[in-house]
Amino acid sequence: GQNIDQPTEMTATEGAIVQINCTYQTSGFNGLFWYQQHAGEAPTFLSYNVLDGLEEKGRFSSFLSRSKGYSYLLLKELQMKDSASYLCAVSSPSGGSYIPTFGRGTSLIVHP
Amino acid sequence: GAGVSQSPSNKVTEKGKDVELRCDPISGHTALYWYRQSLGQGLEFLIYFQGNSAPDKSGLPSDRFSAERTGGSVSTLTIQRTQQEDSAVYLCASSLAGAGQGKNIQYFGAGTRLSVL
Repeated sequence: GQNIDQPTEMTATEGAIVQINCTYQTSGFNGLFWYQQHAGEAPTFLSYNVLDGLEEKGRFSSFLSRSKGYSYLLLKELQMKDSASYLCAVSSPSGGSYIPTFGRGTSLIVHP
Repeated sequence: GAGVSQSPSNKVTEKGKDVELRCDPISGHTALYWYRQSLGQGLEFLIYFQGNSAPDKSGLPSDRFSAERTGGSVSTLTIQRTQQEDSAVYLCASSLAGAGQGKNIQYFGAGTRLSVL
């Protein structure tokens, strides 16, 4: 089966840096996604990692270690608008396809 | 259209009634996915379409749930004889790449919030 774990909730201060961890145990691996979801809105794509290492995109970076089944999303220079749920999703085999399996999401609260 | 469109945005129904939820994907996207999101839960995969065929129906929770896609575009998710536990947000996503092609970035609609009384 597929198991994806991430913290339920995190809080941080505006301007700070926060790291959201995701660990996974899946039968097969074809990439890991991070999505951002504001309350009542659609999830939106942030990043994709399929090889080990760090991918940087502006204030957001994502890291992957396949041997450890581990990823993190790093948010720098936090802004109030970064308050949202962050979803980790692992693409793994399912019935001949690769369907992303989502974790429960980490609710990030940024306060002044 | 500019993005994935879902309708209705909200649906309140009585237990036992049938409901139909609609998803209009991004033009040209061949892959389409349905997920269910309950409060405090992750996105639960329901079904995936590649074109008009559904190679993976493994997530449908019961035979009360069915989905179809016509013309490689619009999809409808039908729930028959709704139960209170069906209450959730139903999200649809589409991707340019198929589900066997690695970096299949999903673009989500805003969802349909279903409330079964």
